[in-house]
Amino acid sequence: GAVVSQHPSWVICKSGTSVKIECRSLDFQATTMFWYRQFPKQSLMLMATSNEGSKATYEQGVEKDKFLINHASLTLSTLTVTSAHPEDSSFYICSAPDPPFTGELFFGEGSRLTVL
Amino acid sequence: GQNIDQPTEMTATEGAIVQINCTYQTSGFNGLFWYQQHAGEAPTFLSYNVLDGLEEKGRFSSFLSRSKGYSYLLLKELQMKDSASYLCAVRVYNAGNNRKLIWGLGTSLAVNP
Repeated sequence: GAVVSQHPSWVICKSGTSVKIECRSLDFQATTMFWYRQFPKQSLMLMATSNEGSKATYEQGVEKDKFLINHASLTLSTLTVTSAHPEDSSFYICSAPDPPFTGELFFGEGSRLTVL
Repeated sequence: GQNIDQPTEMTATEGAIVQINCTYQTSGFNGLFWYQQHAGEAPTFLSYNVLDGLEEKGRFSSFLSRSKGYSYLLLKELQMKDSASYLCAVRVYNAGNNRKLIWGLGTSLAVNP
């Protein structure tokens, strides 16, 4: 199956700093990528849909100025958590649908963010 | 609104069969997915149903009834490694006519020896 690579796997940062997470499709072109957040023992919560060459579509309640998404190429999408606070500590996962999104989502490995 | 219900936790014995149910109420339907997620890892794809009936893939089978808004995942010959969270997700169209998945909260399955 297709491979999606996500970096970093773990990141610890101080409150008030910004953190960038990268999501790359390694062997296919992803015009769309999904960014999820998952708190312990909870399900995946879709934060935004990233579209190559256009603005991301954010889900209701997600602050687009705080969670900056850039999808500048067909193989790379980035999520930047700006001015991070302890409540932003979570597991962030990106995924890309198999072209042409007939079924399976391919997930990155996930990034565990801890804000001190 | 969008709503997906599945049991929070289940327990089963190694070698047994377990059925995990999922009911959904969504505005629109474009397929139902089951994913497996081990603690601290990303989900992995198990199955996809878009038409009514049973899809079998090795030890795992998934059933869908669109009229009842109901699906189940059947796991046979349970192994210890099957201990994980099982996520039910329904694909719908959002306001921008793009497809997206609505996720259930997941069923945490514990397989005991």
